Amino acid sequence: NAGVMQNPRHLVRRRGQEARLRCSPMKGHSHVYWYRQLPEEGLKFMVYLQKENIIDESGMPKERFSAEFPKEGPSILRIQQVVRGDSAAYFCASSPPGHLGEKLFFGSGTQLSVL
Amino acid sequence: AQKVTQAQTEISVVEKEDVTLDCVYETRDTTYYLFWYKQPPSGELVFLIRRNSFDEQNEISGRYSWNFQKSTSSFNFTITASQVVDSAVYFCALRANAGKSTFGDGTTLTVKP
Repeated sequence: NAGVMQNPRHLVRRRGQEARLRCSPMKGHSHVYWYRQLPEEGLKFMVYLQKENIIDESGMPKERFSAEFPKEGPSILRIQQVVRGDSAAYFCASSPPGHLGEKLFFGSGTQLSVL
Repeated sequence: AQKVTQAQTEISVVEKEDVTLDCVYETRDTTYYLFWYKQPPSGELVFLIRRNSFDEQNEISGRYSWNFQKSTSSFNFTITASQVVDSAVYFCALRANAGKSTFGDGTTLTVKP
């Protein structure tokens, strides 16, 4: 049973370009979460999605950032017109539907570097 | 609002020493879960343990033990006889009715041989 798959592992973009980060949750998991980890900092919640629905996007910057989790295919975190401050590790996690105590399964992360 | 505080940014110990990682949380919800995750140098977070708000029984798993005290809103993690392989960043997390998990800033543990 494959774990949470994130790609690419490393992504380099120049300022002003777009970054697309992909996350395929574990089989049977319908809940996806995106977190951002800046150097020397903890994990900051960005967005919580279920299939075709955004449940909580309270951690997403209001501009340039968007996320989706379509009925078919991976979840996508999209960052438009990237700036140097977007450089960070972006982690995706998934959990099955169920109760509050479900643990999160994390991917290996995408390291975004903005030149 | 939920908040998790890990006051210790970095801890360094010598192999075989015991070490305790502190975690203090805040929530207004009466039903919630607490978690510890380990992030080794490879980067991928790994689940260690979870506790629900109605179960204050402490738990021991090998060299790991957890002390949950609702009265002080703390969920501390102790590693006994630490080993070099324990070196990692450890995160405490809280999940309540909002659905999302709120993480602390992490404690970087370095175990020296």
